[in-house]
Amino acid sequence: DAGITQSPRHKVTETGTPVTLRCHQTENHRYMYWYRQDPGHGLRLIHYSYGVKDTDKGEVSDGYSVSRSKTEDFLLTLESATSSQTSVYFCAISESIYPPVGHEQFFGPGTRLTVL
Amino acid sequence: RKEVEQDPGPFNVPEGATVAFNCTYSNSASQSFFWYRQDCRKEPKLLMSVYSSGNEDGRFTAQLNRASQYISLLIRDSKLSDSATYLCVVNWDSGYSTLTFGKGTMLLVSP
Repeated sequence: DAGITQSPRHKVTETGTPVTLRCHQTENHRYMYWYRQDPGHGLRLIHYSYGVKDTDKGEVSDGYSVSRSKTEDFLLTLESATSSQTSVYFCAISESIYPPVGHEQFFGPGTRLTVL
Repeated sequence: RKEVEQDPGPFNVPEGATVAFNCTYSNSASQSFFWYRQDCRKEPKLLMSVYSSGNEDGRFTAQLNRASQYISLLIRDSKLSDSATYLCVVNWDSGYSTLTFGKGTMLLVSP
């Protein structure tokens, strides 16, 4: 399995509080991604990173920010959590973005976030 | 609109059966295709990539039909451990590797 960890694995918080989720990888992969997964939806991309300090928005980026100060760490921050952000959050990594090899994404174990 | 459509199932099959899933995608410019499996409350795990010539890995065979814009996954000799949700995943272009996921097809293999 790819060396990807996420912390915390579970979190319950209240509306309006800031929350930061951490993704840590030991694979030295350049590309990192944050997704959310909700019932009735496929995984949806929140933000991604193509290098240290290089990030861009995904499909559902409103209400989220990210930072990547080191190759191995990619942080997702909910500045002021809302109940609609209750979800399972997955981090993913890839070595490359170009086919045919190396662009597959590998996922961390996920963080279950509940916003009350 | 970039869409990936899958039959949600569940597909209920007995052990040893052969089962096939299809997935359709909306963008003819799609570059890369994958099947992931996801166990309940776990992360998606790459099952196999799907290339133009199709590919096989043991009991699993994936095919790509660009003309009709669908990919398929065939599982032969189903095992209890194959019970999971199978996600069809498409990469729309080679500019950056952001993937679009289908909602998944659930497979239940019974003794």
